Amino acid sequence: KQEVTQIPAALSVPEGENLVLNCSFTDSAIYNLQWFRQDPGKGLTSLLLIQSSQREQTSGRLNASLDKSSGRSTLYIAASQPGDSATYLCAVRGNTGKLIFGQGTTLQVKP
Amino acid sequence: DTGVSQDPRHKITKRGQNVTFRCDPISEHNRLYWYRQTLGQGPEFLTYFQNEAQLEKSRLLSDRFSAERPKGSFSTLEIQRTEQGDSAMYLCASSLDPAGSQETQYFGPGTRLLVL
Repeated sequence: KQEVTQIPAALSVPEGENLVLNCSFTDSAIYNLQWFRQDPGKGLTSLLLIQSSQREQTSGRLNASLDKSSGRSTLYIAASQPGDSATYLCAVRGNTGKLIFGQGTTLQVKP
Repeated sequence: DTGVSQDPRHKITKRGQNVTFRCDPISEHNRLYWYRQTLGQGPEFLTYFQNEAQLEKSRLLSDRFSAERPKGSFSTLEIQRTEQGDSAMYLCASSLDPAGSQETQYFGPGTRLLVL
């Protein structure tokens, strides 16, 4: 059974810092991995999708990496801003389409 | 707005009542997913449709839950005889599935259910 874990559960940093969020999964037989952002009381916004054959994806200040063999992904946020404050969720897709999510990392960026 | 829409956004009901939620996916998306999210947790998969066919149901989906996608467009999720444990955010997502590895799921704003 696939399990996804995110560490840390919460993170508070001063504005301008670079930071790394971690995601691990137990079954390496995945089709892709997605990182999402969720603001309080809202739905999920897709940030990055990494296909199983890829090692990383970049979008603006965000960079996500994937190491399937070790069951790990990281989301790197450069030059953090207060507007980056949100919960970040990673999810893996297996062969049936459903996503298995981690518990999320709640990020607070202080001005 | 061409994103995924859900209705209602909030629902308060008394224990034992039935509730129905609606999801309108992005136009021409053939896959539609339902997830449930409780406070402080990541979403959990409930069920999904490819066109009008319901292809997978989670064990979380008890007999009190039923989902439909009658014409392969919008979907409804009904909960009968609601219980306080059903209180959660119900999220809908849709996708166009060109190949599994490229599938991106787009989420709606969710329906927050509170059962008193």
